[in-house]
Amino acid sequence: DAKTTQPPSMDCAEGRAANLPCNHSTISGNEYVYWYRQIHSQGPQYIIHGLKNNETNEMASLIITEDRKSSTLILPHATLRDTAVYYCIVRVGGTGTASKLTFGTGTRLQVTL
Amino acid sequence: ETGVTQSPTHLIKTRGQQVTLRCSSQSGHNTVSWYQQALGQGPQFIFQYYREEENGRGNFPPRFSGLQFPNYSSELNVNALELDDSALYLCASSHALQGPFSGNTIYFGEGSWLTVV
Repeated sequence: DAKTTQPPSMDCAEGRAANLPCNHSTISGNEYVYWYRQIHSQGPQYIIHGLKNNETNEMASLIITEDRKSSTLILPHATLRDTAVYYCIVRVGGTGTASKLTFGTGTRLQVTL
Repeated sequence: ETGVTQSPTHLIKTRGQQVTLRCSSQSGHNTVSWYQQALGQGPQFIFQYYREEENGRGNFPPRFSGLQFPNYSSELNVNALELDDSALYLCASSHALQGPFSGNTIYFGEGSWLTVV
């Protein structure tokens, strides 16, 4: 699976949009971009994933560049409860039974008043 | 709520002992995987099970073993516990999809905290 690079930490004011970048310059054509977050001492929470088109759900939006070498996770209106470590992961699709995720060090997002 | 439940939530074991951790996967999910997360690090893939067979393994020694049952629930067993085995153990479930460009979603439980003393 391709390697990802994320800033170690970011701050965001409550109510503002949080934009978390991820670089995956070695991504292959069949690799998806996944985002998870982990609030202290809890299991990782799935946020969103995409292949090449932008995606949006009730939690966030995922913007993938046209060359797919980077992406941005957008939390449109951050709240204190969004304070967590955010992981960007690329994973091969079409692997049927494979469920391996390779976690990096992630970005620690701190939402402040 | 992901529908993935793990037990126990916390336990303490002595070095050299054996431990069994349990996981019930989300309804309809036929693949289960296990991860180890040491303090301050990201989760590390241990192995996964599909149709009651191990079909993928990370860089963990054979004393880490598992089982998957016909109802897709799973166990993680660790023998000869070492101090470095102290970690959060996470179970994740998904439904295997076939064909190219199939990006299935993997859901995690809340984990079992293991302390080895």
